[in-house]
Amino acid sequence: NAGVTQTPKFQVLKTGQSMTLQCAQDMNHNSMYWYRQDPGMGLRLIYYSASEGTTDKGEVPNGYNVSRLNKREFSLRLESAAPSQTSVYFCASSVGAKREKLFFGSGTQLSVL
Amino acid sequence: AQKITQTQPGMFVQEKEAVTLDCTYDTSDPSYGLFWYKQPSSGEMIFLIYQGSYDQQNATEGRYSLNFQKARKSANLVISASQLGDSAMYFCAMRGTNTGGFKTIFGAGTRLFVKA
Repeated sequence: NAGVTQTPKFQVLKTGQSMTLQCAQDMNHNSMYWYRQDPGMGLRLIYYSASEGTTDKGEVPNGYNVSRLNKREFSLRLESAAPSQTSVYFCASSVGAKREKLFFGSGTQLSVL
Repeated sequence: AQKITQTQPGMFVQEKEAVTLDCTYDTSDPSYGLFWYKQPSSGEMIFLIYQGSYDQQNATEGRYSLNFQKARKSANLVISASQLGDSAMYFCAMRGTNTGGFKTIFGAGTRLFVKA
């Protein structure tokens, strides 16, 4: 039972480099999300995908792009990394809209130097 | 705009005692869901309990209960008989159905320390 799988678990980038965080879920969920977690600020929504083929901005989308590759996979791309993007990134999924709980991946710790 | 406020950055509780973690929220949605998640030091996010805005009774899940006071817009988490393994970060979260859409927003969290 894999649930939500994120890769990589750790990453160090230099300012200006690009990278893609991968996320896949095997629970046949319709909705997927990317959050970032910073000390004292809880989790903030970057982008979400309500269903396959749709994506929307969350609270802090600047500097990020996403792709809902298929129902299982939702990737987050940093085109030109900045030190302000140093954070822990979580991918999550849910059955659908409404009020279902989120299932989280184990997180990616990203440092941008 | 929707907002979740957790005013307790840190809390201490003696093992086997009960503890209440505070959460207040603000939303204009008539229908919404409230959640609590636990984040141990290992970093994963664990769902604990859910309360729907139209649920007549307060939610309970084992040692966890949610003290839901709709008029006061509060959704406090009560942990009974605290255990050492309850030491973790706790996040209150809310998901609306109209203006909130698919977005689940989180509070800043409360770090709970359980003392032996």
